Amino acid sequence: GNSVTQMEGPVTLSEEAFLTINCTYTATGYPSLFWYVQYPGEGLQLLLKATKADDKGSNKGFEATYRKETTSFHLEKGSVQVSDSAVYFCALSSSGGYNKLIFGAGTRLAVHP
Amino acid sequence: SQTIHQWPATLVQPVGSPLSLECTVEGTSNPNLYWYRQAAGRGLQLLFYSVGIGQISSEVPQNLSASRPQDRQFILSSKKLLLSDSGFYLCAWSVRGRMTWNTEAFFGQGTRLTVV
Repeated sequence: GNSVTQMEGPVTLSEEAFLTINCTYTATGYPSLFWYVQYPGEGLQLLLKATKADDKGSNKGFEATYRKETTSFHLEKGSVQVSDSAVYFCALSSSGGYNKLIFGAGTRLAVHP
Repeated sequence: SQTIHQWPATLVQPVGSPLSLECTVEGTSNPNLYWYRQAAGRGLQLLFYSVGIGQISSEVPQNLSASRPQDRQFILSSKKLLLSDSGFYLCAWSVRGRMTWNTEAFFGQGTRLTVV
């Protein structure tokens, strides 16, 4: 079946450090890929998405590229801020699947001044 | 604009008691609706989804049930809670239809349920 594997956290960084959170997936067909972010005490909100191979999603300085050859969708940011501290979830939605999301386990990011 | 309301925000219930969590969506019609659960130390898991009034699909066998009595209302219930039902429950919606896998899902603020 379809699945998402995400690097385990927590990830602890200093402000202005470079961030990479790895995400790989297993899916049939042509899924869409998403990164959602959960700030403390809140629900999830979409950070970025990519809907086909080689697409790059970007938002708020974060980027991720849909790599079909390596089945990956790694999240990157060149310079993190304290306000980026949150839990990040990689997810996929299968084609023709009523937009049901399959999530990775989540990666907690803590950024210190 | 569309909004999603979910309540209560927190809930502490004894084992064996009933449960009812409610979610409503405003500003859109005929949405797909979802209930997800985030257990402690684990990722999000889809519990139920609905593509229309009275239409419920269960993703995992469990002690919970869902209902959709109105187009924009989605209810998660249990007759008798178990300790293992503790977790963070999230309601979500997306645009209607099966061929919408490239669209965003919008999440409520969540309900943190502790069963004691």
